[in-house]
Amino acid sequence: QSVLTQPPSVSGAPGQRVTISCTGSSSNLGAGYDVHWYQQLPGTAPKLLIYGNNNRPSGVPDRFSGSKSGTSASLAITGLQAEDEADYFCQSHDSRLSGSVFGTGTKVIVL
Amino acid sequence: QVQLQESGPGLVKPSQSLSLTCSVSGGSLSSGHFYWSWIRQPPGKGLEWIGYIFYSGGTYYNPSLKSRLSISVDTSNNQFSLNLNSVTAADTAVYYCARCTGIASYDYWGQGALVSVSS
Repeated sequence: QSVLTQPPSVSGAPGQRVTISCTGSSSNLGAGYDVHWYQQLPGTAPKLLIYGNNNRPSGVPDRFSGSKSGTSASLAITGLQAEDEADYFCQSHDSRLSGSVFGTGTKVIVL
Repeated sequence: QVQLQESGPGLVKPSQSLSLTCSVSGGSLSSGHFYWSWIRQPPGKGLEWIGYIFYSGGTYYNPSLKSRLSISVDTSNNQFSLNLNSVTAADTAVYYCARCTGIASYDYWGQGALVSVSS
């Protein structure tokens, strides 16, 4: 089963910068497909945070930014706030699945 | 503003079928450009893509579920549906319907429906 690999958790104090990595393979990120990022607050549906590698939907603070290079991508959160404590998932298209593949998920903990 | 809402039984017995419907408002399924999708999340775990359907009926399924899965669309009622056969406890999850854009991002999601498989 194709999957994108993320660290289980990252943590930081308020105001700090944290980054979340997302590692794929030649059938998804390495094939040139875009990466997208979602934020999931407890008990709620995922919310699109970054699309097309580094674009923010309307209403998403510019504290969130994304990048992609080869088979890897990352999400950065600067000026960490208590409300950023949530699960974050990366996602892309996979040619082997002919469909979507999600990351394993990362819990951001605000100390 | 597009809104999606899942509906269906919250409890299904093992070996039976799981059926859910997603009602779409604020936009037409027939408008094109989008794939209408099902995604699930077992309790405490990550997201798994189940499959999606285009308004014309074309479908793409996760190979791991393909033999048990059917997704259909009802454009007259602006709904699409999921049917998963021969369920086991491993199919217990929150099931989300979502809209997939041309660049394969999911921009609108339903609130999710918890389906438990238990006798």
